[in-house]
Formats: sequence, structure tokens, C-alpha cells
Amino acid sequence: GENVEQHPSTLSVQEGDSAVIKCTYSDSASNYFPWYKQELGKGPQLIIDIRSNVGEKKDQRIAVTLNKTAKHFSLHITETQPEDSAVYFCAATPYNQGGKLIFGQGTELSVKP
Amino acid sequence: SAVISQKPSRDICQRGTSLTIQCQVDSQVTMMFWYRQQPGQSLTLIATANQGSEATYESGFVIDKFPISRPNLTFSTLTVSNMSPEDSSIYLCSTGLAGNEQFFGPGTRLTVL
Repeated sequence: GENVEQHPSTLSVQEGDSAVIKCTYSDSASNYFPWYKQELGKGPQLIIDIRSNVGEKKDQRIAVTLNKTAKHFSLHITETQPEDSAVYFCAATPYNQGGKLIFGQGTELSVKP
Repeated sequence: SAVISQKPSRDICQRGTSLTIQCQVDSQVTMMFWYRQQPGQSLTLIATANQGSEATYESGFVIDKFPISRPNLTFSTLTVSNMSPEDSSIYLCSTGLAGNEQFFGPGTRLTVL
């Protein structure tokens, strides 16, 4: 079955710097890759996603890139702000398995003012 | 998107008892999912609950321990049965939309003593 690996587990950056989180997946048939932000005491919030027919997607300060050949995808946050501090999860949806999500292990991002 | 609410938001239970968690969606959806998030960990899918059919459980989760109901297109319940301290986790429901996007509820924080 699908397996998603996420790195790093913790990331600390200065306010205004960029942050990059990387994920790899094992099932080449997976076709949908969302990213979630989870703040303390809350449920995961979908922040951006990408489908297998697209290489890059951007939404203001966040962007996601997908390399299908290498089976990895990355989250890029530019001009980080203290409110970006949270745990970020990547996930993959295996093809034709009812839409379930397989999650990475999570990255705790800390943005220092 | 979808707005999802869960009840209760948190609970402290004695071992050997059962707790039923409710999940309400603000629109009709075909797919609902239940996840477990153990302390400091990522999310693991427990089961998929589609209206009108039996829930589909992932490896390591069984119906006797986690019975699920899905009486209509906006509501589902998950019961954690015969609880032990190892069941202390956050339990999250989510709903899948047509484009694979999944939106999560705020979670139910369960502590078993």
C-alpha cells in the first residue's frame, strides 16, 4: 500500500525567511496530494493541494511542487510569519481507493519573530 | 468546502466504558472518514463510512472495537468500545468532496484513565 515519508520533523526559521517541507510517496498511482496545517487544539486545515497532472501550484505565500518521476512533492512557504507556526502534514490519495488519505509524519514549524 | 462539527469536543473516561462521538456536516456528502491521531503523532485512517453501506475498516481496526453508524448524508457516529488508556487520542471525522478534497472536524480529545 501507499507510504508517505515527510521531512524534516521539526523546522525553525526566522520571520521573513522561507520554509520548505518535503514528502515522498511510494505508490506511483496516487493522484492527489494535499497539505494540511494543524494548530494546537484544532483539526487539520487544508491549505493547498496538487493533482498528478500538475507540476506546481501557488496560492499567495504558499506553493506546492510535484515531481511524479521521483515521487516527491514539497511545500514552500515564503515570507514566513509567526502565525505560520503549526504542524504541517502532507498526504497522498491512492488511486481508486475511495478517496482515503495516507498522511506523512508531520513537520512542526516554528517561526521566530 | 464543508463545515464539520463534532461532539463531544473532549472527554475523560474510565477504562472499560464506551464513548460515542458524533460528526455533523453542513451539507450532504457521500463519503465520511474517521481518523485517529495519537498524542504527538500523525493521522491514521480508522474507517470509511458511506451512507447505505457497512463501514470499511483499515488494517488494525475492527468493527467490534470501533462501531460506526451512518444514518444519513450529513451525520455519522464512531463508538470507541471497552476503552483502555491506549485509546487516548484525538478522533477526527472528515468528509470527502467530489474533487478528493477532505475537510476535517475540530476533533474529539479522549483521555482514558
